[in-house]
Amino acid sequence: DAGVIQSPRHEVTEMGQEVTLRCKPISGHDYLFWYRQTMMRGLELLIYFNNNVPIDDSGMPEDRFSAKMPNASFSTLKIQPSEPRDSAVYFCASSPRGGAYEQFFGPGTRLTVL
Amino acid sequence: GESVGLHLPTLSVQEGDNSIINCAYSNSASDYFIWYKQESGKGPQFIIDIRSNMDKRQGQRVTVLLNKTVKHLSLQIAATQPGDSAVYFCPTPQTGANNLFFGTGTRLTVIP
Repeated sequence: DAGVIQSPRHEVTEMGQEVTLRCKPISGHDYLFWYRQTMMRGLELLIYFNNNVPIDDSGMPEDRFSAKMPNASFSTLKIQPSEPRDSAVYFCASSPRGGAYEQFFGPGTRLTVL
Repeated sequence: GESVGLHLPTLSVQEGDNSIINCAYSNSASDYFIWYKQESGKGPQFIIDIRSNMDKRQGQRVTVLLNKTVKHLSLQIAATQPGDSAVYFCPTPQTGANNLFFGTGTRLTVIP
């Protein structure tokens, strides 16, 4: 298995632009998680899905952030409009049993908003 | 929500020495714990786990100890190598939720 796939690996954009991050989970994993990592706040859970349904989005910082999972093999995290404080590394992870058990992380997308 | 505290945000050890990374947790209902390792430029990766009915579990060069009385975990790495340099996380489940709180982790630096 190729593991969790994220794209793009790096994204540089200007303030106000729309950013879309993509994730392909490991086949057969029913749980998908989006995290954001910064030096100051560490690794934070933004939202997670179970069987394509959003379960907990309490970590989404504000309405500028949205996430979708149209099918079991694809999810997007969108930021519109982007701001410099959104600069971070965004990770997608998937799990066959739920977040309390082993999660398999993707390589991350490093986002820089100028 | 419940949180996990790490006693030290950074730890430096000499190559060949043993490393001990400590972790405190607050959710007494937690029954399963995982240690993750995050190398530079990569996502976190599972190292070892332990269930609450155990107080020790050993892997290859790593040992996890669990003290439920004081809600404390530790990860011991034997004969630390440069490849062990990474950030280590001991996330714990959020109460009533199916997710983990990771926080900032502990950065281990191995000095050659």
